[in-house]
Amino acid sequence: GEEVAQTPKHLVRGEGQKAKLYCAPIKGHSYVFWYQQVLKNEFKFLISFQNENVFDETGMPKERFSAKCLPNSPCSLEIQATKLEDSAVYFCASSLHLKRGQETQYFGPGTRLLVL
Amino acid sequence: AQSVAQPEDQVNVAEGNPLTVKCTYSVSGNPYLFWYVQYPNRGLQFLLKYITGDNLVKGSYGFEAEFNKSQTSFHLKKPSALVSDSALYFCAVRDYSGAGSYQLTFGKGTKLSVIP
Repeated sequence: GEEVAQTPKHLVRGEGQKAKLYCAPIKGHSYVFWYQQVLKNEFKFLISFQNENVFDETGMPKERFSAKCLPNSPCSLEIQATKLEDSAVYFCASSLHLKRGQETQYFGPGTRLLVL
Repeated sequence: AQSVAQPEDQVNVAEGNPLTVKCTYSVSGNPYLFWYVQYPNRGLQFLLKYITGDNLVKGSYGFEAEFNKSQTSFHLKKPSALVSDSALYFCAVRDYSGAGSYQLTFGKGTKLSVIP
């Protein structure tokens, strides 16, 4: 598609439950990025993919967070055993490439996760 | 490490007046600079970017931004503000070389309110 799609729009989980978020990048884009927007609008980078390969996972809390981008499937971000502090808006972005002229990241509408 | 500062949490401007939203950055190499806008409960929309070339870049909805290397700034401007411009604006930077990562680093956002 022409836009980054994210589902669901809203997700409510009890503390300790699992949460799974999905992202369909723009068709033809090779790179996918996940960001977390927390209180006071701060963005935190989580992970990026080059096609189905992890490109950079330096922002991922590895104990509970995992992500995948499989061929012919939406990318996913999964949080095992959610905690209250995981409450945030999770944005997915995609870019055609990383090199000049193709580097713009286009963002989806986000998934708002509320952990109670 | 790369960083972005948006010194104003909020900017108020009267409709029809020029507006400026400030941004300064820090990167180890040459910067790729971006402005995004976020409307309430919506995702980030790309406005414009500076990659190379002319220091004055023009983007969507009549916005423009001026890259100033000596002052490490990339201020967003519009000659005549509209009420519909009221939103949250984010400046973001990426190191051209990708040193360390190709992720975007965002400022904390500036809330723009255009008063009728």
